[in-house]
Amino acid sequence: SQKIEQNSEALNIQEGKTATLTCNYTNYSPAYLQWYRQDPGRGPVFLLLIRENEKEKRKERLKVTFDTTLKQSLFHITASQPADSATYLCALDNNNQGGKLIFGQGTELSVKP
Amino acid sequence: KAGVTQTPRYLIKTRGQQVTLSCSPISGHRSVSWYQQTPGQGLQFLFEYFSETQRNKGNFPGRFSGRQFSNSRSEMNVSTLELGDSALYLCASSAGAEDNQPQHFGDGTRLSIL
Repeated sequence: SQKIEQNSEALNIQEGKTATLTCNYTNYSPAYLQWYRQDPGRGPVFLLLIRENEKEKRKERLKVTFDTTLKQSLFHITASQPADSATYLCALDNNNQGGKLIFGQGTELSVKP
Repeated sequence: KAGVTQTPRYLIKTRGQQVTLSCSPISGHRSVSWYQQTPGQGLQFLFEYFSETQRNKGNFPGRFSGRQFSNSRSEMNVSTLELGDSALYLCASSAGAEDNQPQHFGDGTRLSIL
């Protein structure tokens, strides 16, 4: 069956460290993968998009990798700050079916000062 | 530019009633998608509209329907409400018809069914 799995447990890290979040998928062949941030009571906010032919994408302190052989994307936040505390969602397209994004359950990140 | 606006923010209904939720996309965006978010199932795709036509549909019963107007504003309707319909309903807009467009979400309508 088709599945998207993110870190099942919440992630707690110390300020200044690098947070690494995992997104694994099964029985999908996405052309691209997106990462979003969601704060309590708010809608998700788009962070980064990476295409199947791209290995890595960076934006400021954020880095995303995409390994279509392992069927995995890693999301890194370097020099993490308490303001980075939120739930992070990965999403992938379902074989180019229009606007239909399939989301993972999300990983809750808590950065302690 | 104003973001995606959803109204109302909160809604309480009883079983058997129907409800209409509204979404105004970012100006110039022609694609509007709707998602349901619950603690158990996460974010699930309901449907997408582009230029007033439904372009894609998720696996929800026919009680869930939507439409898009010529100004790209969209509404979704849920009839014969059930307790399990309690959720955060999110609307997202994107600029074009390409499949890899980032989605710009509103803050949702929190629907509670009593």
